[in-house]
Parts: sequence; C-alpha cells; structure tokens
Amino acid sequence: EAGVAQSPRYKIIEKRQSVAFWCNPISGHATLYWYQQILGQGPKLLIQFQNNGVVDDSQLPKDRFSAERLKGVDSTLKIQPAKLEDSAVYLCASSLDMEIGLGRGYTFGSGTRLTVV
Amino acid sequence: GQQVMQIPQYQHVQEGEDFTTYCNSSTTLSNIQWYKQRPGGHPVFLIQLVKSGEVKKQKRLTFQFGEAKKNSSLHITATQTTDVGTYFCAGPRISTTDSWGKLQFGAGTQVVVTP
Repeated sequence: EAGVAQSPRYKIIEKRQSVAFWCNPISGHATLYWYQQILGQGPKLLIQFQNNGVVDDSQLPKDRFSAERLKGVDSTLKIQPAKLEDSAVYLCASSLDMEIGLGRGYTFGSGTRLTVV
Repeated sequence: GQQVMQIPQYQHVQEGEDFTTYCNSSTTLSNIQWYKQRPGGHPVFLIQLVKSGEVKKQKRLTFQFGEAKKNSSLHITATQTTDVGTYFCAGPRISTTDSWGKLQFGAGTQVVVTP
C-alpha cells in the first residue's frame, strides 16, 4: 500500500513570500489532516478535511494560511505571506475513520520542512 | 482547553535498562494513541488504547491506559539503540460529533540511548 505522499521535501523562502505544500493521501482515505510541527514540539493540528469538506479549521491562522481539497483526494496548504515563526515541518496525515475505530491510527507523510529567513 | 502533557521531556537511558514515559490529559479521553518519531522522520503509529485499565504489549513495549482514562504510560524494557526517537501520546480533541479524529499530541518524550 502506497503511503501518504508530500512535496516538496524541503523549502526555504524569505519572509513575506508565499509557499504551497501538496499532499496525496492513501487511496480511499476520506479524512485528511494538516499538522504543523515546530522543532522540539508535538504536531499541532491546523485543519481536518472529510472528503472535500472542512471539518475543523479552528486552529488555522486564516489571515495567512489556507487549505483546500477540491476533489476529495489531493490537498494543498498555502501560506501567504510567510513569517519567521512559520518555520516548521508541515505534516499531512490521512485516515479511514473505520480504521481508527479498529485501532490503526493515522498515517503520516514524510512532511515538508519549511525554513523562513 | 484540553491539554495532553508528557513527562519526562527527555530520557537518557543506558542500553539494556528499562524506562517509563507518562502521558496525562486534563480531560477524559475516548481513546489514546502512541506514535514514535525517529530523528528526522515522521510520526509512526504504534498503538491505540480504548478501554479503561487496558494493557497492551508489543515485544519490549508495554502500553497502559489508566482506569479513569485520563492518563497513559509506555514502558520499554531492555532498551536498545533502535528505541531512539521521540514518543508522542495523542488523544482526540473534544468534539460532539467525532470522538476518534483531530488528535491532540503531547510534546513528546525524547529518548536517547547510550550504548
């Protein structure tokens, strides 16, 4: 089974520039999550999608962050404009809710490491 | 709001020794999950606990869910260098419609193993 694909793997941008990250979840996984992981901290949920609808974006800084999942499969996360404090690893995860109920957890992608200078 | 706290933040272990890391929630959890993140890697699911007082074992790893479903522990016996990494516990954020998703992660316990 293919895993969760993310790109790019690394990105360095200057503050006030914009950046976009892409995620392709495991085939058939209806639920997709974007997490932000700052160095030395646990992942923090930014947004959850169920198919192509947003379930929870309460922790997404909407003045600069946006995300979409137009066809209920791939997703993109955008930051515009970026700030220094946005430097982090952006992780995408997907799950089949039934699998969580069966004890199989989330599957994370390898993440995109963003450095804002 | 709901918080998931882990202690200790760092754990230095001699190879072959045992250690335990703890996870505490400010609220009752429907389930708790544990993940391992190797240095430079991404979190990988280890296990999920659902029942009060549940104990599950994976080889040298023993996971326990507290009776009140507000705390959990991970005990590793005979630590090996392959155990290096950060161990996170995670519980679902409070929601009236979804008791499984939207995991809230603790800050993790970073484990360093000395040969």
